[in-house]
Amino acid sequence: NAGVTQTPKFQVLKTGQSMTLQCAQDMNHEYMSWYRQDPGMGLRLIHYSVGAGITDQGEVPNGYNVSRSTTEDFPLRLLSAAPSQTSVYFCASSYSFFERAYNEQFFGPGTRLTVL
Amino acid sequence: ILNVEQSPQSLHVQEGDSTNFTCSFPSSNFYALHWYRWETAKSPEALFVMTLNGDEKKKGRISATLNTKEGYSYLYIKGSQPEDSATYLCAFPSLSSNTGKLIFGQGTTLQVKP
Repeated sequence: NAGVTQTPKFQVLKTGQSMTLQCAQDMNHEYMSWYRQDPGMGLRLIHYSVGAGITDQGEVPNGYNVSRSTTEDFPLRLLSAAPSQTSVYFCASSYSFFERAYNEQFFGPGTRLTVL
Repeated sequence: ILNVEQSPQSLHVQEGDSTNFTCSFPSSNFYALHWYRWETAKSPEALFVMTLNGDEKKKGRISATLNTKEGYSYLYIKGSQPEDSATYLCAFPSLSSNTGKLIFGQGTTLQVKP
């Protein structure tokens, strides 16, 4: 198992550009989520999905879109990049929606994004 | 808005010292409490998922206790080693019938000096 994979590892964007951060898992996990990590702020939830075709907003969703067309993939789209979106982005997954409180989350390696 | 608070924010100890830190969470609507270990330049990895009041879990020199009635969990590291240097995160699931979010605390960053 590759676990949770994320691409790219690093990205530099100019203000106003759009891009998609890719996330995939091969563990047949129902629940997937995106977090951003900023100094002094911990991990903040951007969007999450409880299964294919179902997504919802987290704490800081503005400026981001997600979709979940398959169980495996959960891409995060930045619509028009802003310097405030400079951050490290982590994708995570866990096994079961119905047992979601009790299942540990598996994290991808992260994407470090800089917006100039 | 649910608050998950961790203290202290950072900790510096000498190799061999034992240490502990705290996670405070809402005591109502409790389902579970997660602990994660996050080394620099790596991804967070799960240490424990705790569900029962009075629960105590152990992994090597690291152990955790849970008090759901008063809303806190302690993480203990016995005889700290430099490889224990990391940020330790706790997380609290916030659930309803059709949604589920894991709310993370800001973490305690531990530095163990040789």
